[in-house]
Amino acid sequence: GENVEQHPSTLSVQEGDSAVIKCTYSDSASNYFPWYKQELGKRPQLIIDIRSNVGEKKDQRIAVTLNKTAKHFSLHITETQPEDSAVYFCAAIEADSWGKLQFGAGTQVVVTP
Amino acid sequence: NAGVTQTPKFQVLKTGQSMTLQCAQDMNHNSMYWYRQDPGMGLRLIYYSASEGTTDKGEVPNGYNVSRLNKREFSLRLESAAPSQTSVYFCASSVNRRHNEQFFGPGTRLTVL
Repeated sequence: GENVEQHPSTLSVQEGDSAVIKCTYSDSASNYFPWYKQELGKRPQLIIDIRSNVGEKKDQRIAVTLNKTAKHFSLHITETQPEDSAVYFCAAIEADSWGKLQFGAGTQVVVTP
Repeated sequence: NAGVTQTPKFQVLKTGQSMTLQCAQDMNHNSMYWYRQDPGMGLRLIYYSASEGTTDKGEVPNGYNVSRLNKREFSLRLESAAPSQTSVYFCASSVNRRHNEQFFGPGTRLTVL
């Protein structure tokens, strides 16, 4: 099955700086890579996703890049704000599965004013 | 649209007791999932249902059973609760295997004493 590793486990950034979270996956046939944000005590919510036929995708201050050859993908948050403080999870879909996602362990992002 | 709803929000059980966690979605989604979330371990799939009438084991199915009651509802049962099942449980749904975005419910925080 798919295995997803996520680094770092915690990330502290100054407001206005950029944050980068990296994930690696094991199944070269995986073709869908979402990122979820989970605020304290809340449900995970999708913030951006990318498919394997695309190398980069942006949505305002967040972007995701995918390197299929190296089997890794990254989340970039620019101009961080206090409301970006949360736990972020990457995931990869298991190839040939009925939509099963394998999640990384999560990154706690703290944005300090 | 309520999206994905879960009941109860909180539950405390004694070892050996049984209970059923309820999940419903009103988005006409075909696929539904049950996850557990433990500190530092991300979201782990317990069971999933690709479509009405089918269920399959995920990564951590031991100690749990599920029922896909109809297209809207997917319940998770703990027959004999153990302290190791203390966790936050999330239900999620997606349109189908080709439209992979998963929408999560608010979660159930379960403590087993």
